[in-house]
Amino acid sequence: QKEVEQDPGPLSVPEGAIVSLNCTYSNSAFQYFMWYRQYSRKGPELLMYTYSSGNKEDGRFTAQVDKSSKYISLFIRDSQPSDSATYLCAMSETSYDKVIFGPGTSLSVIP
Amino acid sequence: SQTIHQWPATLVQPVGSPLSLECTVEGTSNPNLYWYRQAAGRGLQLLFYSVGIGQISSEVPQNLSASRPQDRQFILSSKKLLLSDSGFYLCAWSRLDTQYFGPGTRLTVL
Repeated sequence: QKEVEQDPGPLSVPEGAIVSLNCTYSNSAFQYFMWYRQYSRKGPELLMYTYSSGNKEDGRFTAQVDKSSKYISLFIRDSQPSDSATYLCAMSETSYDKVIFGPGTSLSVIP
Repeated sequence: SQTIHQWPATLVQPVGSPLSLECTVEGTSNPNLYWYRQAAGRGLQLLFYSVGIGQISSEVPQNLSASRPQDRQFILSSKKLLLSDSGFYLCAWSRLDTQYFGPGTRLTVL
């Protein structure tokens, strides 16, 4: 079993839809959770950062962590064509540990 | 604010040739620095990380090496490139738990 798993997609949705992106993980010691967005041929950029369980909202983006299920999600409301990108989840045990990345989910938002 | 630079942006090299990719960070001091490789359609593979000048940890044994000659400079090198070295190379920095990535170098080995 891989340490972090993500459905690679591609996921295609119409503009305005609510998007749900998910990751599962096997290491129960992970406490720090991140979502990165990566446009084609660009470096990943940090979207959301959460510690432990719970929800965090930033504009149209909501990150959700369920440590009991070892499952994290990123929700995008009112999706826009500019949201078309690959979304990488990432996590670590402590603030100084190495970060483990998921393989990414490719998202296309169709106008 | 912090900025991370990588160059070159793209590179096409023949098999067996040497490699040198450079990464510099501005606006912070004593960052942790990382080199990743991202193959087409695959996730990020951590190659090297450094917590200080001259301190390099290797994650994947291969024909690549890294050096950190200055606090905010990180260099990825190879003496002889292989076809399998093709990919998108990303440099990242962090102070605590969050990593910030550079624009990347796309390397094609022919």
